[in-house]
Parts: sequence; C-alpha cells; structure tokens
Amino acid sequence: DTGVSQDPRHKITKRGQNVTFRCDPISEHNRLYWYRQTLGQGPEFLTYFQNEAQLEKSRLLSDRFSAERPKGSFSTLEIQRTEQGDSAMYLCASSLGLAGGSEQYFGPGTRLTVT
Amino acid sequence: KNEVEQSPQNLTAQEGEFITINCSYSVGISALHWLQQHPGGGIVSLFMLSSGKKKHGRLIATINIQEKHSSLHITASHPRDSAVYICAVTGNQFYFGTGTSLTVIP
Repeated sequence: DTGVSQDPRHKITKRGQNVTFRCDPISEHNRLYWYRQTLGQGPEFLTYFQNEAQLEKSRLLSDRFSAERPKGSFSTLEIQRTEQGDSAMYLCASSLGLAGGSEQYFGPGTRLTVT
Repeated sequence: KNEVEQSPQNLTAQEGEFITINCSYSVGISALHWLQQHPGGGIVSLFMLSSGKKKHGRLIATINIQEKHSSLHITASHPRDSAVYICAVTGNQFYFGTGTSLTVIP
C-alpha cells in the first residue's frame, strides 16, 4: 500500500454512459497525476495537477475527458459518452512538487471495461 | 518513434544471475524513473534519477545524461524479482517505455 487510494477498483459500463473515478493522494503531496494503461503497454500520461491547478493535459485527453482537483486534495476523472476504446486501467499517482522532480507514488488503479 | 525505448522487451534469467535492463530516451528530461509492476498489481517506484547512480539493496540504477541512457541492474536475481520494469522520464512532458517483462526461474 503506497498511501494513494483509488475508487472504484473496477468499473464495467455500457458504451455511451458516463463514468467518474476518484483518487485520494498522500495528504502532503501537492502534485497529482492521471495515467492510462492498456494491456501490454506502458502507462500513458493524461494530466497532472499542482494543488488545484491543472498544469498539463495530454493530447490523448479528448473533450470527453475531464479532471478536477477542487480543493487540492482528492481528484476526479470523468469520462463522458464512454467508448470501447476507453477500456483500460486508469492510474493515479501523487508526489511532492519539488524542483527537478520527485518520486511518484501510484495508486492501485481503476480498471474500466466498456461493453 | 517512441520517446522512451527499453530493451529487452522480455527477459528470462536463472536465479542468481546478474540482470541489466536498458532505457534510451530522446527528449530533454528533469528526471528518469524506474518503476516495477507485478502482474495484476500496482506500480511501485524503484528509483528517481537525474544524474549518476543510485543503489537500493540488490538494485542499482545508473544514468548518462549526455548519452540519454539509463540502466537498471539487479544483482543475485530472485524469483520474486519477476515483474515488468518500466522506464519513465519527466520533463516538459511525461513519457513511459513499454516495459521489460522479467521472469526469474528458480
């Protein structure tokens, strides 16, 4: 257990439905990251927050994806009008926001299956 | 072309062997990370490097900034080291390699 939690751990949804995932980072970490990982591939960066500010978004993050971190603590990732191609593991990580980078602590992930 | 390339993709070793996994990257970075992922499990950070060399127990990570290359070494490998090892770089963007799947046979 790294101290980063994600909910739910598994989600099965029908194509076209909206889904929302939650990530609770380590409390003193001000950076929070979202990644997506498909089977047999390495993770892909989606977005990251410094406190409540969303500082970077990947081109992979289409208009159907939105992420928030309203109080600089937990974060949510919403996918609207899900498609089968959205099926993946969604990973959250947190870190201290140190200059030059800092170690990231990963949550267990939320596995999304779109049928 | 991937910004982060790892080799080999798959590696099988006998218990006790010395193992090396390589990572090359093509972008400017502020740090390089080595991560471990067990089947069905979460990701654990092993090292974060911006220069030189780090050692944790039987694991050693090195980085050569000029050559844009890093290596992860495992000494006296053990079956519990079987996992996927992922190289990732952070800078202006975040890039991950596709991972090296290591199997250590008793």
